[in-house]
Amino acid sequence: EVQLVQSGAEVKKPGESLKISCRGSGYSFTNYWIAWVRQMPGKGLEWMGIIYPGDSDTRYSPSFQGQVTISADKAITTAYVQWNNLEAPDTAMYYCARASYTSGWRIDIWGQGTMVTVSS
Amino acid sequence: NYMLTQPHSVSESPGKTVTISCTRSSGSIASNHIQWYQQRPGSAPITVIYDDNQRPSGVPDRFSGSIDTSSNSASLTISGLKTEDEADYYCQSYDISWVFGGGTKLTVL
Repeated sequence: EVQLVQSGAEVKKPGESLKISCRGSGYSFTNYWIAWVRQMPGKGLEWMGIIYPGDSDTRYSPSFQGQVTISADKAITTAYVQWNNLEAPDTAMYYCARASYTSGWRIDIWGQGTMVTVSS
Repeated sequence: NYMLTQPHSVSESPGKTVTISCTRSSGSIASNHIQWYQQRPGSAPITVIYDDNQRPSGVPDRFSGSIDTSSNSASLTISGLKTEDEADYYCQSYDISWVFGGGTKLTVL
């Protein structure tokens, strides 16, 4: 079964660091992109960026450039998003999703989401 | 980058047909494919339409997508509405970055 399994919920304090993960299984991890999407409480979906684990080609939304680091370890078929200095507005659900590009971008599999809460 | 604008909410009765629009603010709607995602309360999104009008396997044919260059918009149409279709629906496209619409809450009552 093709699936993306994300790490569990996190509760952090402002200023702390965090790395959440998304493990792919059931397919060739290096042949698909992994996108990251933020959903703040009660709000819509926001694209954060995307990585191609095959060669680590990474692209960021201008809104998230410099705010997070997206990475992947193809040896363990896992992608990551990392924060070095969390702030309260980072409180959100974060989804990873498998994406591919042919005539256009296409998401076909979503992770279950990781809830991140930042509070003092 | 451009914006994708969706109605905040729509409602319709079971068995009826509803259409959700997604209007591109600048540039042609035909320039980049549109995707549609369904997100039920408390759940992750799922893809219901990709490449403007293609359904992933497992998505019922009650779901269809189209684009209209005259109104510069895309549409998601759901026919034979069921209570299980009640969800938030998001359109999405891309340019330099990916762009999501603000989402439409569909109520089936």
